[in-house]
Amino acid sequence: GENVEQHPSTLSVQEGDSAVIKCTYSDSASNYFPWYKQELGKGPQLIIDIRSNVGEKKDQRIAVTLNKTAKHFSLHITETQPEDSAVYFCAASGTGTASKLTFGTGTRLQVTL
Amino acid sequence: DAGVIQSPRHEVTEMGQEVTLRCKPISGHDYLFWYRQTMMRGLELLIYFNNNVPIDDSGMPEDRFSAKMPNASFSTLKIQPSEPRDSAVYFCASTLAQGEQFFGPGTRLTVL
Repeated sequence: GENVEQHPSTLSVQEGDSAVIKCTYSDSASNYFPWYKQELGKGPQLIIDIRSNVGEKKDQRIAVTLNKTAKHFSLHITETQPEDSAVYFCAASGTGTASKLTFGTGTRLQVTL
Repeated sequence: DAGVIQSPRHEVTEMGQEVTLRCKPISGHDYLFWYRQTMMRGLELLIYFNNNVPIDDSGMPEDRFSAKMPNASFSTLKIQPSEPRDSAVYFCASTLAQGEQFFGPGTRLTVL
């Protein structure tokens, strides 16, 4: 089955700096890669996603890049703010659908003032 | 819409007792997922349904776990008998036509 690795496990940045979280996946058939943000005591919430026919996608301060050849994808957050502090999860669908997601182990992002 | 609704939000029970977690998906969604989140194992998919039919239950850890979806607006995850290692946060999520998965707030289960 699909295996998703995520790094780093913790990340501390100063407000205004950029943060980058990286994930690799194992199943070359995967074609859907969402990123979720989880705040304390809440369920994960989708923040951005990308499909394999696109190399990059951007939404305001958040961007995701995908390298299908290398089987890795990354989340980029620019101009970080304290409210960006949370746990971020990458995921991949190993069967070519958005249904069955395999999640990475999460990155705890701390944005300091 | 109120989003995915889960109950109870917290459950504390003793080992050996039966536990039932409940989920109401977003109206109109045709997929429903049950996940378990622990520090050790992260976020794991237990089972998912499409149009109330179980599609993949390969993530269900053992026979003590069972899930049902009697109709499009209700699902249960049952653990019988419960064990301390079942302690975790259980999430329900729903989606329409394999789009974005919307997660509920979770049920924090503690088995003493």
